[in-house]
Amino acid sequence: TQLLEQSPQFLSIQEGENLTVYCNSSSVFSSLQWYRQEPGEGPVLLVTVVTGGEVKKLKRLTFQFGDARKDSSLHITAAQPGDTGLYLCAGAKDNFNKFYFGSGTKLNVKP
Amino acid sequence: GAVVSQHPSWVICKSGTSVKIECRSLDFQATTMFWYRQFPKQSLMLMATSNEGSKATYEQGVEKDKFLINHASLTLSTLTVTSAHPEDSSFYICSARDLGGQYEQYFGPGTRLTVT
Repeated sequence: TQLLEQSPQFLSIQEGENLTVYCNSSSVFSSLQWYRQEPGEGPVLLVTVVTGGEVKKLKRLTFQFGDARKDSSLHITAAQPGDTGLYLCAGAKDNFNKFYFGSGTKLNVKP
Repeated sequence: GAVVSQHPSWVICKSGTSVKIECRSLDFQATTMFWYRQFPKQSLMLMATSNEGSKATYEQGVEKDKFLINHASLTLSTLTVTSAHPEDSSFYICSARDLGGQYEQYFGPGTRLTVT
């Protein structure tokens, strides 16, 4: 059973469109991280959110941590083909000694 | 900074043999390293948490006698898959937490294991 559920699982959009990926759980996390992973490579950290209600912006990417620290969202504005990849959320528990990954969202941005 | 390497990047072995995978933090010290397993088109599943100088903590359902973890120094952890079988074929990824940091874990590039 996955502790973190991501939706949607797959997303195929045209360049220039906006999208939002959701990461939900019934558990509370100390922090939540978002990663992007290319095939055959390890995940690359995009952002860490720690405080409930926190919003972080990274160029065209906006990350939000839910007030109760149980959920998070990733919004991409004007998606580009370079944004294509597998997006993973990961929640930290046990004083940051354990990280649990979401089910993943595979994004394909068509030129 | 915060570079983690894995060796080998891919390995093919015969059923019944053992394979060792190394995970190194290159420019920082890591008291804690994590080992994950990822099947094709799936997310990462935490296998075990490795702490320097102590026994690893395994997740439920992971056989500690099959997946031997050693964390002998602040920059090196190893995962040995013993008596490998085809069902052990997978992408194994390690990550490391910076001793001087707090929240982040940095991932290695992964090791593709194929057992024939």
